[in-house]
Amino acid sequence: QSVLTQPPSVSAAPGQKVTISCSGSSSNIGSDYVSWYQHLPGTAPKLLIYENNKRPSGIPDRFSGSKSGTSATLGITGLQTGDEADYYCGTWDSSLSAYVFGTGTKVTVL
Amino acid sequence: QLQLQESGPGLVKPSETLSLTCTVSGGSIYTSSYYWGWVRQAPGRGLEWIGNIYYDGSTDYSRSLESRLTMSVDTSKNQFSLTLSSVTAEDTAVYYCARRRGGRLDYWGQGALVTVPS
Repeated sequence: QSVLTQPPSVSAAPGQKVTISCSGSSSNIGSDYVSWYQHLPGTAPKLLIYENNKRPSGIPDRFSGSKSGTSATLGITGLQTGDEADYYCGTWDSSLSAYVFGTGTKVTVL
Repeated sequence: QLQLQESGPGLVKPSETLSLTCTVSGGSIYTSSYYWGWVRQAPGRGLEWIGNIYYDGSTDYSRSLESRLTMSVDTSKNQFSLTLSSVTAEDTAVYYCARRRGGRLDYWGQGALVTVPS
């Protein structure tokens, strides 16, 4: 079972905004940076956000991240059909000495 | 540009050992900056971290898999490998290799489907 909890799904119309929450504990989100990944079927997961709010080169600024305490949030603005994918948060858990992923959230563009 | 590529059998019989290799190109695996690891996704499930290995051979394993898991690194071939013993149908998944830098997995292979028939 995942130790990071995300909503199973979120949806919005094209051009709108969605936010995805990721809830953890003091041994993971509360003590380390959070990353976010986009996973399209049949492809490799892609790093969207690292160190809570930084974007790798090539990731548009429509994607943003934040962290507060033991929770993190991914925001996607100007929603596009190409954003339909599964999104996962991830971080290192010091108690488990393991990398942990969130439960995953499916984004649907209505 | 760093690239990772998984290779190995796509079909493994129950109770046998699953073996996968990840070949890294465009950069050296012999570096203190990164960890080299594996993630899998079973059908209809989310991403599951399997474990990672450092260039010196030190490892971190998922507690749920560690009794069946071995990882190794071959710096001369710029490869790292995964073996998972006593597989069952529950180990059927797409297996990805990935580079971990701190708290992020920044480069991923395309994935290799491994099927264990029930």
